[in-house]
Order: sequence, then C-alpha cells, then structure tokens
Amino acid sequence: EDQVTQSPEALRLQEGESSSLNCSYTVSGLRGLFWYRQDPGKGPEFLFTLYSAGEEKEKERLKATLTKKESFLHITAPKPEDSATYLCAVQGNYGQNFVFGPGTRLSVLP
Amino acid sequence: GAVVSQHPSWVICKSGTSVKIECRSLDFQATTMFWYRQFPKQSLMLMATSNEGSKATYEQGVEKDKFLINHASLTLSTLTVTSAHPEDSSFYICSAMTGSDKNIQYFGAGTRLSVL
Repeated sequence: EDQVTQSPEALRLQEGESSSLNCSYTVSGLRGLFWYRQDPGKGPEFLFTLYSAGEEKEKERLKATLTKKESFLHITAPKPEDSATYLCAVQGNYGQNFVFGPGTRLSVLP
Repeated sequence: GAVVSQHPSWVICKSGTSVKIECRSLDFQATTMFWYRQFPKQSLMLMATSNEGSKATYEQGVEKDKFLINHASLTLSTLTVTSAHPEDSSFYICSAMTGSDKNIQYFGAGTRLSVL
C-alpha cells in the first residue's frame, strides 16, 4: 500500500529563517511526486512535480528535491506570505490516484 | 496554469435535502476528475475518481448512492450529496487532470457544506 508521511507537522519560522520540509514515501513504482500549497479554506495550488531521483525544481524561494525514499521542500529566506499548509502527494505506476500526506503547516512570522 | 472552477464555494442546507456541487475545467479538457473530502486540519481524502462518459469509481467506504457523481462532458463533473445530514458537513474539493500534462491534478477552490 502506497504511503506518504510528512514532517514536521507544524513549523514556525522567523522571516528570513530558511528551513526544509520532509516528505517520506513508499510506493510500488513512482510515477510522480507532487508538491502543493494550500491556504485555509482554499483548494491546493500546484507547485512542483518530480519524476526521478536526483531531480530538482525551483520556484522563487522554494526548491524541491527527490530521492528514492523522500522529497524535501527547501524554503530560502521565507516571507510571511509563504505561510500555508504544504502537501506532498505520490502517484504510483499502478493507477491514476494520488496518495496525499498529512501536510506541514508553515507559519512565517514577520 | 490550468484553471478549475468549483461552485458554489459555500452552501448551507437543511437536513434531508440534496446539494449539487459543480466542477469545471475552464481552459482544458479533463479526461479525469477527482472528488475529495477534507476535515479540519487533515489532509485530502479521495472519495471517487470520475472519468468522462463512464461510471465513477468510488473509494472503499464511500456510499455511491449518497454521493452521486456525474461526468457528462470533458469540462464538467458534478457531485450531488443526497439526503444530506449534519455528518456530511465538510469541505469538498474537486480536481481535474489532463492527459497531456504529466498527470498533474489542478484543484478547484473547494466547497464548504454545512448541513443544519
């Protein structure tokens, strides 16, 4: 059974304090790993897709990396507007469904 | 990026009534749409997968007669919560996937359902 865990559950940072969020997964053949951002009361917003170990993607202050067992979302010099819940999801080779992790609630204080 | 519109964003209904939620892909054709339910401070729980022109596939434990899904066109899927009860109150979110965008799911803004 495909599984995704995320850590930490919640993270509070000062503005400018860089950190990383972890997504660990087990899947029977990885088709893709996806990062989303979700603001309260809104649907998830797509950030990145990673398909193979060693791949990296960047967007503004965010950088996602992938190994065979986990993915990291690095946040460099975060701003208060980066505060949100960050969700990780995997899609296995057998089926089209995503398995979502529980998310990391990030708060960036000014 | 691809845009998915979900309507209504908030609905309040009386117990025993039915509520329909629409999910539209605005600038692409969605071969597959998904319906999720999300409880406060929890992650997304997949309810069903909807493929255009065919019956939806429901996840284990989801009552297909209670949560009716119709995917009549490549841009529209609907979720009808029949005979709603207070325990059906939740945040419902749809997503759409294109066949050509490397399996990325694009999400609607969600619908907050409150059953009195």
